[in-house]
Amino acid sequence: NAGVTQTPKFRVLKTGQSMTLLCAQDMNHEYMYWYRQDPGMGLRLIHYSVGEGTTAKGEVPDGYNVSRLKKQNFLLGLESAAPSQTSVYFCASSLGTDEQYFGPGTRLTVT
Amino acid sequence: GQNIDQPTEMTATEGAIVQINCTYQTSGFNGLFWYQQHAGEAPTFLSYNVLDGLEEKGRFSSFLSRSKGYSYLLLKELQMKDSASYLCAVRDADNAGNMLTFGGGTRLMVKP
Repeated sequence: NAGVTQTPKFRVLKTGQSMTLLCAQDMNHEYMYWYRQDPGMGLRLIHYSVGEGTTAKGEVPDGYNVSRLKKQNFLLGLESAAPSQTSVYFCASSLGTDEQYFGPGTRLTVT
Repeated sequence: GQNIDQPTEMTATEGAIVQINCTYQTSGFNGLFWYQQHAGEAPTFLSYNVLDGLEEKGRFSSFLSRSKGYSYLLLKELQMKDSASYLCAVRDADNAGNMLTFGGGTRLMVKP
């Protein structure tokens, strides 16, 4: 039981490049989330999903897109990366309204 | 919306007790979570309060007062491994998606 996994662990992008972050969970959780964490600002919700095929915007959705084609996977896309998107990205999942389980994070630098 | 405040940093001595406070202002309330996050790692769940009072779990306890918009996390018999950030998060009442709003976190340093 791997829990929540994220790939890649690290990535450096140039401004304007695109990339996709993959989150996978093997706990059969319905809900999945994408957060970013910046120094002094805590975790901020980007997008979330309450089930396969559904997504919704969180607190800071601009510049990101998501897809949940399979229950176990939640993808976060950056279409045109900007330096302001340099951050640590965490994926999480939960069984309904229970506590959220977090993945190990992806450290992204945009130059 | 939500506004969550907690101290940025705290220092305590190994073996002692420390209390980390969290205050919140919300348009609705449906639960408060505490998470622990070691440097460079993922947050891990510590406790959940939705009713007033104290929840105890081993060396860790969490308290909630909904009327005061106030919670604290109490860590007893501090160990060096308790050096970490502690994140307070509030769930809004009108929230079908189990969305949490996090405070900025309190970095706790435990000294010998």
